[in-house]
Amino acid sequence: AQSVTQLDSQVPVFEEAPVELRCNYSSSVSVYLFWYVQYPNQGLQLLLKYLSGSTLVKGINGFEAEFNKSQTSFHLRKPSVHISDTAEYFCAVVKAGFQKLVFGTGTRLLVSP
Amino acid sequence: GAGVSQSPSNKVTEKGKDVELRCDPISGHTALYWYRQSLGQGLEFLIYFQGNSAPDKSGLPSDRFSAERTGGSVSTLTIQRTQQEDSAVYLCASSLGGSMNTEAFFGQGTRLTVV
Repeated sequence: AQSVTQLDSQVPVFEEAPVELRCNYSSSVSVYLFWYVQYPNQGLQLLLKYLSGSTLVKGINGFEAEFNKSQTSFHLRKPSVHISDTAEYFCAVVKAGFQKLVFGTGTRLLVSP
Repeated sequence: GAGVSQSPSNKVTEKGKDVELRCDPISGHTALYWYRQSLGQGLEFLIYFQGNSAPDKSGLPSDRFSAERTGGSVSTLTIQRTQQEDSAVYLCASSLGGSMNTEAFFGQGTRLTVV
């Protein structure tokens, strides 16, 4: 079965600094990878997804992620964060051809002035 | 509707009571998913519907949990004889097709508190 590990439960960062949120997955078969964001008191929203093709995926709000098959990673990055990026970020994986989206435990990004 | 709608948004119930949580998916979305989000935990998969059938209900924690979907639309998650460990936010999502390579849209969730 596939699983997702988000090593950092919380990442504090200053405004305009770069940030990387780490995600590693385990699966013996092809997978699709996703990052979702959950703003305070709101539902989950898709940031970006990797299905196939280019390993660098660009999403909304200036975020991007890179799929690294050899390291089984899908880290999320942003070169310069804003206060409004403060939220919980979830990495998720699904086996190609299946429907069960498996989530990591989430990383809380705290952006301060 | 414009998005996935869940009701109620909050539910406080006494231990041992039954509760029903409702999900209205986006019109035309054939796939519907239930997840549970507990404090400090990730999102736990509960069940997946394709149309009215549930090909994967492997995530339901116990036989106290059941779900149904009617008319390929509204879904109800029922928890019988609630326990305190059932307290969590229950999230519903829907997507266009049966494959998760399409975007899943989430509702705001139902916060269940068992006292």
